[in-house]
Amino acid sequence: GQNIDQPTEMTATEGAIVQINCTYQTSGFNGLFWYQQHAGEAPTFLSYNVLDGLEEKGRFSSFLSRSKGYSYLLLKELQMKDSASYLCAVKDSNYQLIWGAGTKLIIKP
Amino acid sequence: EAQVTQNPRYLITVTGKKLTVTCSQNMNHEYMSWYRQDPGLGLRQIYYSMNVEVTDKGDVPEGYKVSRKEKRNFPLILESPSPNQTSLYFCASSLSETGTGGYTFGSGTRLTVV
Repeated sequence: GQNIDQPTEMTATEGAIVQINCTYQTSGFNGLFWYQQHAGEAPTFLSYNVLDGLEEKGRFSSFLSRSKGYSYLLLKELQMKDSASYLCAVKDSNYQLIWGAGTKLIIKP
Repeated sequence: EAQVTQNPRYLITVTGKKLTVTCSQNMNHEYMSWYRQDPGLGLRQIYYSMNVEVTDKGDVPEGYKVSRKEKRNFPLILESPSPNQTSLYFCASSLSETGTGGYTFGSGTRLTVV
C-alpha cells in the first residue's frame, strides 16, 4: 500500500531551527508537497520538490531524496506564528496526492 | 482575489437529511477535489474531477456524490448523512492534476451529523 510517515508532534523554541521529516512509499512519484495548516483552517502551500536537492524559500527550505523516499522541511528563526501542523503529500504515478497525517509543531517562547 | 469558496463554514444536521456543500473557484482551474479530514488521519480524498463532466472516486467515496456541470463549481452532496460523516471537509483546486503548482483550498466546512 501507499504510505506517508511523519512524526505526530514536535516542540521547538522560538528563534531556533526545526527539521520535520517525511518518508514515503508510493506507487510512483511525481512530486512532493509541503503544506502548513493552522488549527481549523485550510492548508496553505509551502513548497514543491520533484528533483533531488534543497529548495529554499525564505525561512523555509525543503529537501528531497527520491532514492531514499525521504524529504524534510526545515524552518529557521522560528516564530510563534509557525505553530501549526505541517503536511507532507506525494503525487503518485496516477498524479493523485497521498497525504501524511501531519506533524503538529509547538513553538515555545 | 483568486480563491476557492466553500459554503457553509459550519453545519449541524440530522441523520438522513440530504445536504449539499458548495464549492466554487475563480481561477479557471481544471482540477477540483473534495477531502475530508479527521483527527489523526491525513486528508482523505472523496471525489475528484479533472474537468467538466469528468468525475472519479477517491479513497472514501461511499455516501457522497458530486457533479461538475460547470468548470467553476464542484458541489458535494450527502444524500443521507450519517454520524460517521461528521468531519472537516475541504474543497481544493489546481490548474491541472499534473501541474507543479500546489492545490488551493477552500476555508473548510465543519459538518456535524447527529
